[in-house]
Amino acid sequence: QSALTQPASVSGSPGQSITISCTGTSSDVGRYNLVSWYQQHPGKAPKFIIFEVTKRPSGVSDRFSGSKSGNTASLTISGLQADDEADYYCCSYVGGSISLFGGGTKLTVL
Amino acid sequence: EVQLVESGGGLVRPGGSLRLSCAASGFTFSSFTLNWVRQAPGKGLEWVSSISSSSSYIYYADSVKGRFTISRNNAKNSLSLQMNSLRAEDTAVYYCARDRGISSPFDFWGQGTLVTVSS
Repeated sequence: QSALTQPASVSGSPGQSITISCTGTSSDVGRYNLVSWYQQHPGKAPKFIIFEVTKRPSGVSDRFSGSKSGNTASLTISGLQADDEADYYCCSYVGGSISLFGGGTKLTVL
Repeated sequence: EVQLVESGGGLVRPGGSLRLSCAASGFTFSSFTLNWVRQAPGKGLEWVSSISSSSSYIYYADSVKGRFTISRNNAKNSLSLQMNSLRAEDTAVYYCARDRGISSPFDFWGQGTLVTVSS
């Protein structure tokens, strides 16, 4: 099964909002409301920031929000901050207790 | 505080074997599914394998099926990954990651251990 499709890179200035897309198929993103997102700073482990498309784990800033339309999920970061510069990965349940990651998006804060 | 600490990585020749371990603390280990997720240098994340809380359900990515074996010891709060017939493409940082079910996958991660397969 191929990885979910994410843009390789996005950028924004401090204070702005950016959106990262994650495109799958009707068998994964489109079928289940089970998309999660992860933030990974260089040399660090990924951090869980969104689950079930729109929900935030305790302690995650409300500047992070998720949505989904059809086969595409999206992560929006508002009020961009320097520390938001990182790689972001989406992940979708695909059935059979298996999850599939996206290829990752590098966010640059200008 | 939830902690997952991987160990056992290193340099191994193609065709060789390696056993990774993950020591857990700060949560009721026996209640959670555990996973191995890897990341090749400069690449994205790839789910490798998962094992349910009682080891009743075990799954593998097609890329490692038949070569890797996941196991756990709930009495010792430990997770393992036995990797055989290693290939260059298995070179990656291997992360141990907890999940709370399909709705909250990979909610906590260890810092990872690097496996390098090279002659």
